[in-house]
Amino acid sequence: KQEVTQIPAALSVPEGENLVLNCSFTDSAIYNLQWFRQDPGKGLTSLLLIQSSQREQTSGRLNASLDKSSGRSTLYIAASQPGDSATYLCAVMSFGNEKLTFGTGTRLTIIP
Amino acid sequence: GAGVSQSPRYKVAKRGQDVALRCDPISGHVSLFWYQQALGQGPEFLTYFQNEAQLDKSGLPSDRFFAERPEGSVSTLKIQRTQQEDSAVYLCASSSEWDYSNQPQHFGDGTRLSIL
Repeated sequence: KQEVTQIPAALSVPEGENLVLNCSFTDSAIYNLQWFRQDPGKGLTSLLLIQSSQREQTSGRLNASLDKSSGRSTLYIAASQPGDSATYLCAVMSFGNEKLTFGTGTRLTIIP
Repeated sequence: GAGVSQSPRYKVAKRGQDVALRCDPISGHVSLFWYQQALGQGPEFLTYFQNEAQLDKSGLPSDRFFAERPEGSVSTLKIQRTQQEDSAVYLCASSSEWDYSNQPQHFGDGTRLSIL
């Protein structure tokens, strides 16, 4: 059974700093890994999708990497802004299974 | 529509009542997913449709939960004889292609269900 873990559970950093969020998963037989953002009382917004054959994806100030063999992904946020404050969720789609398995998220607070 | 739409946004029901939650996916999206999110947790998969066919319902927690998508667009999640442990946010997501492995899932804002 696929299990996804995110560390830390919460993180506070001053505005302007670069930061890294971590995600690990137990079964490397995956189609893809996705990073989402969730604002309070809202649904999930897709940030980046990395297919199993890829090593990283970039969108603006966000960069996500995937090391499938070690079961790890990182989300790098450059030059953080207060608007980046949210919960960040990582999810994997495993072979033979179209559902997403989510971690419990990292609650990020950017301090102005 | 512009995004996935869910209604109602909030639902309060007494224990034992039946509830129905609606999801309007993005127009033309083939795949539709339901997830349940407890407070402080990540979403957990409930069920999945490809057009009108329910291909996976392994995540439905009991036979009190039932989902349908009769015409391959709008979907309804029904919970019968609600229990307090059913209190959660119910999220719906859709994706555009048959090859779901290459496409991100687009989520609605969810229905927050509270059982008294």
